[in-house]
Amino acid sequence: EVQLLESGGDLVQPGGSLRLSCAASGFTFSDYAMSWVRQAPGKGLEWVSTICGSCGNTYYADSVKGRFTISRDNSKNTLYLQMNSLRAEDTAVYYCAKQEGWELHNYFFDYWGQGTLVTVSS
Amino acid sequence: QSVLTQPPSVSGAPGQRVTISCTGSSSSIGAGYDIHWYQQLPGTAPKLLISGNNNRPSGVPDRFSGSKSGTSASLAITGLQAEDEADYYCQSYDSSLSSWVFGGGTKLTVL
Repeated sequence: EVQLLESGGDLVQPGGSLRLSCAASGFTFSDYAMSWVRQAPGKGLEWVSTICGSCGNTYYADSVKGRFTISRDNSKNTLYLQMNSLRAEDTAVYYCAKQEGWELHNYFFDYWGQGTLVTVSS
Repeated sequence: QSVLTQPPSVSGAPGQRVTISCTGSSSSIGAGYDIHWYQQLPGTAPKLLISGNNNRPSGVPDRFSGSKSGTSASLAITGLQAEDEADYYCQSYDSSLSSWVFGGGTKLTVL
């Protein structure tokens, strides 16, 4: 059974930093691209970032490019999101999601974690 | 403003059929990228409902189906049940943004 368990969400001041983690189990972690998707309170879903299984390629939404860094440790089956220069508009539940698909641009999110809340406020 | 446009809300009585539209552009759905649909029950994480335009993962009832034409796509739900009350999101890729994109979401109310 695929399981994704996020952690690291917290209350942080504007301009601060935070690192999220996502522990994965139930599948061969290194074989799959992984992503972070966020949802601001009462709002819709927003893709944040993706990292390929073992090729090292990373992708970012314009809204976080240059501030967030996605990474993974395949030996620990863990996905990370380092968030710097946080803004109020980064306040959201952050979901870790496994990606599936026959081609990069047609990837979809087949399993999701339960989410971790990041609140950016003074 | 989302790249993919969905109606904010739809409703239907138990047993009825409802559809949720998802309108994109020539750089997203119109470029041939697949459409995927997710269901988010209140207070829970999203769940994959339809992948690759009209493929249901194991466990998803065949009351749910998807279609795509031109720059638009639709999710149809037949035999509406109270447990279908949720938010529904479409998702694709947009080549002009070089990013995976979601619709703004549609709240389904079962009357």
